[in-house]
Amino acid sequence: QSVLTQPPSASGTPGQRVSISCSGSNSNIGVNTVNWYRQVPGTAPKLLIYNTNQRPSGVPDRFSGSKSGTSASLAISGLQSEDEADYYCAAWDDRLNGLLFAGGTKLTVL
Amino acid sequence: QVLLVQSGGDVKEPGASVKVSCKTSGYTFTTYSISWVRQAPGQGLEWMGWISTYNGNTNYAQNLQGRVTMTTETSSNTVYMELGSLTSDDTAVYYCARVRTGGVDYWGQGTLVTVSS
Repeated sequence: QSVLTQPPSASGTPGQRVSISCSGSNSNIGVNTVNWYRQVPGTAPKLLIYNTNQRPSGVPDRFSGSKSGTSASLAISGLQSEDEADYYCAAWDDRLNGLLFAGGTKLTVL
Repeated sequence: QVLLVQSGGDVKEPGASVKVSCKTSGYTFTTYSISWVRQAPGQGLEWMGWISTYNGNTNYAQNLQGRVTMTTETSSNTVYMELGSLTSDDTAVYYCARVRTGGVDYWGQGTLVTVSS
């Protein structure tokens, strides 16, 4: 089954480092790159990380991405209140021949 | 800058069809394919498929095969997505997004389609 799995929620205090995991399989994360998107409710998603660990222009280096085997991770260091949003990982799935999104993680800054 | 501007929201009755447009600017239209992604209220993102703006080839999500059609109009740098046989489960915000390796990068602002009798 081709599914990407994220924890539904994550939280941290200002200044902390938080990580969000994304678990997949050998047909998606295991063989393809991972993208991460940030979505503030009511607005369109925005690209945060592409090619697993690359940041688009304008994304602070507090955000970083990594991958090991069939799992990927988004790390946010120096957490700020404006980081509160929903975060989604995505990867191409060779079995489905389509783009897979995980269910998303709601990040709360306490 | 790269912009994807979508048509406005729509309300449709069950069984009807809806057509959403996505006008692009700020880059060479035929260089990048366009994907469509939808988001039901309070839910996550669902990929619907993509269309090559270069040759019109399409690849649709299995669960939408037969109901979705994506087309391009190179003269106006516009992509269209038409979804037929609508049910209440199709109520969602529909996004177009530019395809890049491994996913999508720039997104349209979204179009709310409500299916209700």
